Amino acid sequence: DIQMTQSPSSLSASVGDRVTITCRASQDIRHDLGWFQQKPGKAPKRLIYEASSLQSGVPSRFSGSGSGTEFTLTISSLQPEDFATYFCLQHNTYPPTFGQGTKVEIK
Amino acid sequence: QVQLVQSGAEVKKPGASLKVSCKASGYTFAGYDITWVRQAPGHGLEWMGWISAHRGQTSYAQKFQGRVSMTTDISTSTAYMELSSLTSDDTAVYYCARDVSFDYWGQGTLVTVSS
Repeated sequence: DIQMTQSPSSLSASVGDRVTITCRASQDIRHDLGWFQQKPGKAPKRLIYEASSLQSGVPSRFSGSGSGTEFTLTISSLQPEDFATYFCLQHNTYPPTFGQGTKVEIK
Repeated sequence: QVQLVQSGAEVKKPGASLKVSCKASGYTFAGYDITWVRQAPGHGLEWMGWISAHRGQTSYAQKFQGRVSMTTDISTSTAYMELSSLTSDDTAVYYCARDVSFDYWGQGTLVTVSS
């Protein structure tokens, strides 16, 4: 199985901060990666697909980049509603595998 | 809009079986696969398997082989996931999601396995 190593596992940030989360794949997954946001007790919501495409309806402060084995999710200016857990997912090779998640907390 | 609505929370005894439903709306059900994942308390997401809504072809995670069954009913746009021989380790929130890229998710079904 492809291993997805996500970092950091948690971070504290203030409203307005720029936040960057990274996922590293154990082998080349091309652009077959999505980023998701999950709030407590809620289903995950896809933010980014194909590594860098913004899901319809998602604010433009979210962006994704990368290809191959290194991927980044950036929140350009953190908003109060962005405090949540974020994770990546690769779907290049079965089985799909997930990053362990990054909990973004209020500083 | 695309929606996946799952059946409600369940409490099961060890050794029992579970059947979770996932009713789709807002798109052509037969045109997309359905994937099932679960999230145990304090743990990450775990892929359980996949079913082609149109062809009924399935692929299951090795961990669940022999104890999981995924089916679809195109007439009602509903997918089902059955898991047998439950243990406390199966206590989790179970999610269905559309497509291999997980573009839309159900709201989750909490399953508690306890004697």
